[in-house]
Amino acid sequence: NAGVTQTPKFRVLKTGQSMTLLCAQDMNHEYMYWYRQDPGMGLRLIHYSVGEGTTAKGEVPDGYNVSRLKKQNFLLGLESAAPSQTSVYFCASSYLEDNEQFFGPGTRLTVL
Amino acid sequence: QKEVEQDPGPLSVPEGAIVSLNCTYSNSAFQYFMWYRQYSRKGPELLMYTYSSGNKEDGRFTAQVDKSSKYISLFIRDSQPSDSATYLCAMSPLYNQGGKLIFGQGTELSVKP
Repeated sequence: NAGVTQTPKFRVLKTGQSMTLLCAQDMNHEYMYWYRQDPGMGLRLIHYSVGEGTTAKGEVPDGYNVSRLKKQNFLLGLESAAPSQTSVYFCASSYLEDNEQFFGPGTRLTVL
Repeated sequence: QKEVEQDPGPLSVPEGAIVSLNCTYSNSAFQYFMWYRQYSRKGPELLMYTYSSGNKEDGRFTAQVDKSSKYISLFIRDSQPSDSATYLCAMSPLYNQGGKLIFGQGTELSVKP
């Protein structure tokens, strides 16, 4: 099993450009999450999904959109990137609520 | 005020030392308490998981929860250079739609040989 994978690993964008981050899990997990991690801020939840076709806002959703068209994939989109979105993005998944969340390796995004 | 507070460190100790990592929280509804370990440029991975109050031991690691003080701790005995990582506490209430976790800021630990 690959677990949770994220594509791409690194990306540099210019202000105003758009991009999509892909998260894939092969553990048949229902729940999936997108976090951002910034120095001194810990992990902050952007959006999450409790099943195929569902999405919900987390703590810091502004400037991001998500989609969960297939159970195994969770996409995070930036429509018009801003320097404040420079961060490390982590995807995670879990089988049930209150269970262990499994994290991907992260995507390092820089917005110039 | 953040719901979960964690001293970001960095914390540097010699090999073999006992390490104490701590988090305080303000939400009395939190019932599940976790510690994640994150190596440099990697994703976090679950280290310890406890429910409600009490202690849990796993090898050199002990997790303690004191709900009356809203305080959780992770102790590492006989620390090793391989323990050098960032440690994040995380917690959630009993009934938690979507399984959302609230994370502390993380404490960066360095164990020197």
